[in-house]
Amino acid sequence: GAGVSQSPRYKVAKRGQDVALRCDPISGHVSLFWYQQALGQGPEFLTYFQNEAQLDKSGLPSDRFFAERPEGSVSTLKIQRTQQEDSAVYLCASSPHNSGANVLTFGAGSRLTVL
Amino acid sequence: DAKTTQPPSMDCAEGRAANLPCNHSTISGNEYVYWYRQIHSQGPQYIIHGLKNNETNEMASLIITEDRKSSTLILPHATLRDTAVYYCIVDRGSTLGRLYFGRGTQLTVWP
Repeated sequence: GAGVSQSPRYKVAKRGQDVALRCDPISGHVSLFWYQQALGQGPEFLTYFQNEAQLDKSGLPSDRFFAERPEGSVSTLKIQRTQQEDSAVYLCASSPHNSGANVLTFGAGSRLTVL
Repeated sequence: DAKTTQPPSMDCAEGRAANLPCNHSTISGNEYVYWYRQIHSQGPQYIIHGLKNNETNEMASLIITEDRKSSTLILPHATLRDTAVYYCIVDRGSTLGRLYFGRGTQLTVWP
């Protein structure tokens, strides 16, 4: 597709449930990023992939968060045993560059609400 | 880490120029100034970036002061669709996408 596609757009989970959020980056984009955006805040970096390699996961808030990009294209962000503080919009972005200018194309996000 | 300071909100009349300021007094010589915006319920959208020189594209102009301690994003003819949160980000460009967005400036364009 022409842009970054994320699914589902909305997810409601009960506390303790596992969730998986999908990101389809722009075809051919080497770099893929996940960000978390709490209500009223700016996006915060979670993790970065270059092709299938996860080069930076320093922003993941706990070991309940796990991201993968096994074939270097589609990525999944998984959150285990969700907590209420995980409620946020999860944004995926991609870039054709593996270094240099930080010009990212973002998807519309997946809004997670944990009850 | 917050390297930029932006006003929390601004407004602008439709058709007029919107000038969004950003202070980045601790910017390093190899750091770029990036601007992104986020329209409600959408992901952030890249607008423009620059190092030293002023830059212009189809969306906006970026004016960076000579000492590089501040910059202004200019939307020459604001429309209602420009209502969004605008983020000014300072980054080396090699931080592999780890951008610090902060809270940005909520720009409201009114008819």
